[in-house]
Amino acid sequence: RKEVEQDPGPFNVPEGATVAFNCTYSNSASQSFFWYRQDCRKEPKLLMSVYSSGNEDGRFTAQLNRASQYISLLIRDSKLSDSATYLCVVPPYSSASKIIFGSGTRLSIRP
Amino acid sequence: EADIYQTPRYLVIGTGKKITLECSQTMGHDKMYWYQQDPGMELHLIHYSYGVNSTEKGDLSSESTVSRIRTEHFPLTLESARPSHTSQYLCASSEDSEKLFFGSGTQLSVL
Repeated sequence: RKEVEQDPGPFNVPEGATVAFNCTYSNSASQSFFWYRQDCRKEPKLLMSVYSSGNEDGRFTAQLNRASQYISLLIRDSKLSDSATYLCVVPPYSSASKIIFGSGTRLSIRP
Repeated sequence: EADIYQTPRYLVIGTGKKITLECSQTMGHDKMYWYQQDPGMELHLIHYSYGVNSTEKGDLSSESTVSRIRTEHFPLTLESARPSHTSQYLCASSEDSEKLFFGSGTQLSVL
């Protein structure tokens, strides 16, 4: 099992829809999680952090389910500009570990 | 905006040439990373450094080498470029192994 797994998509949804996707992680000791957004041929940029149960920022909500070991990203009232790849990131749980990136979920918002 | 810079932004070079991709950050971060990413594919960690004179190979085998003589500078070198090295190379830095700040990337094309 991969340490961090994401549904690759693509998710193709109409503008204004609500869309959600998950990221599962294997190490139960992980304490914090991050969602990054990456536009085509651009660098990833931090979107949201999740330290406890969840985090909300405008139309975006990130939630953590420790029992089932997954985090989710919910986008409400989706905009065309939300089209991107969303990367789930799990920081190292020890000094000897490395940051783990998920393979990303592609989201395409259509007019 | 993050203060991490990569040069060149684009590089087209012939087979067998030696190249160095530059990465500099002014945030005083100890941790720096090099990732390789092909279009539409996931990020692969090829090198990382946790401080001056500390470098480690990442998860993806790479023929490139890195050095960390100064905190702010983490150049990547290919002694003899080949077409298989054609890819996007992303540099990142982090203060706490959690939030990563990425440079704009170098798109390398080897003919």
